Amino acid sequence: DTGVSQNPRHKITKRGQNVTFRCDPISEHNRLYWYRQTLGQGPEFLTYFQNEAQLEKSRLLSDRFSAERPKGSFSTLEIQRTEQGDSAMYLCASSQTGGPGELFFGEGSRLTVL
Amino acid sequence: ELKVEQNPLFLSMQEGKNYTIYCNYSTTSDRLYWYRQDPGKSLESLFVLLSNGAVKQEGRLMASLDTKARLSTLHITAAVHDLSATYFCAVDMIVTSGSRLTFGEGTQLTVNP
Repeated sequence: DTGVSQNPRHKITKRGQNVTFRCDPISEHNRLYWYRQTLGQGPEFLTYFQNEAQLEKSRLLSDRFSAERPKGSFSTLEIQRTEQGDSAMYLCASSQTGGPGELFFGEGSRLTVL
Repeated sequence: ELKVEQNPLFLSMQEGKNYTIYCNYSTTSDRLYWYRQDPGKSLESLFVLLSNGAVKQEGRLMASLDTKARLSTLHITAAVHDLSATYFCAVDMIVTSGSRLTFGEGTQLTVNP
């Protein structure tokens, strides 16, 4: 399977704990995006990388959130001191510079904070 | 800030009927995308519209883009149950660092037999 891969698919945690999600993009794609989706809403942009550089962060991304893409391949999204409001589906997507701009999404990582 | 609005947000229709979903956006862009999402699943790309007047068709779905009106439509012809899903439009906003997609709230479509 050469699509976008995310894990874990589902994480249940207690408030105050840290969680980390991983995303492996389509191998030839140099852009990687993180979005958050809550029930009944469209995906909301969080951040994006071109290669290893983090080029934009949404103001939705509080100080408790950090994303990395150390070698320009896979990416991690860490949430520290989780809160119940962080419960959502975290979607990763990738695309190629110079292409039509279409994003290819992974299956998502669902976070439940108790 | 770019706003993307879809209507209707909920659509219940009978098999065999036609209907149109509308997507309005608030700032200049000439790139618009339609995605489908099934419950509990991720987003599947349906259409990529890259210029004013672009029209794409796949099966019973047809999408069009009018950049002057800042409007895209997704037309459903002779709906079947398999089309039941949530449909999102997304607009590409060019920023200094590149581009990113801003999504509408989605239209939840239910096709009844």
